[in-house]
Amino acid sequence: QQPVQSPQAVILREGEDAVINCSSSKALYSVHWYRQKHGEAPVFLMILLKGGEQKGHDKISASFNEKKQQSSLYLTASQLSYSGTYFCGTAYNFNKFYFGSGTKLNVKP
Amino acid sequence: EAEVAQSPRYKITEKSQAVAFWCDPISGHATLYWYRQILGQGPELLVQFQDESVVDDSQLPKDRFSAERLKGVDSTLKIQPAELGDSAMYLCASSSPTSGGPGSNEQFFGPGTRLTVL
Repeated sequence: QQPVQSPQAVILREGEDAVINCSSSKALYSVHWYRQKHGEAPVFLMILLKGGEQKGHDKISASFNEKKQQSSLYLTASQLSYSGTYFCGTAYNFNKFYFGSGTKLNVKP
Repeated sequence: EAEVAQSPRYKITEKSQAVAFWCDPISGHATLYWYRQILGQGPELLVQFQDESVVDDSQLPKDRFSAERLKGVDSTLKIQPAELGDSAMYLCASSSPTSGGPGSNEQFFGPGTRLTVL
C-alpha cells in the first residue's frame, strides 16, 4: 500500500527543472508532499485533495490525477535550497496514511 | 511559531532494555502521529491518536511497543524490550483536523528522537 516514487534520485544544476512522480495501486483520497533535509524532520509542501487538482507554492507545484492514481511534483528553475529528499504521502481513506520511499534531489551550483 | 516538541533528541540503549520517547504536539492539535523512519526510507506510521483515542495502530509491533496519550495532549511511545532492528528515527507529528479526516490535513513534525540500539 506504500506509494511508489520515481526516480529514486535526481541531480540537477541550479535553474534546471525536475519532475518527481508518485503512484498508487489503490484509489487515493489525498496526496501529500513533504521535503526532508538531512538530519531534519519532514516539512510540509502541499496537499492535493481532489482529482485533477493542481497546487503551486513558489516555483514548486503538483498535480493529482485521480484516474491514474498518481501525483507529480514539479520543481521549476531549481535553487540550491531545493536539495533534500522529497516524500509523497498517500491517504486511502480518512485514517490510512503511507509515505513513499522518497526521491533524493541534489541541486548543484 | 508553535512547534512539536520531542525528547530526548538522541538515545543510545542496549538490546533488551526499555526506552521511552515523549512528544508534545502543537497546542490545540487533536491528531497525533508516531512514525518510525529507518535511514534511507520514508516514515512508517506506527500509531495515530485522535484526542486520547487510538485511531490506527495496525503497524505498531504490539508485542514490544506501546503508546499512550492519556489526557489527549502529550504522548509517550515505549519500546520494551528494545531490539537491534529498532534503531531508527522516531518522529512525532500533529495536525488539526478540519474536515475530511486526518488524511486531509497538513502534518507538523517534531525534530525526532534518534534511537541507537547496541
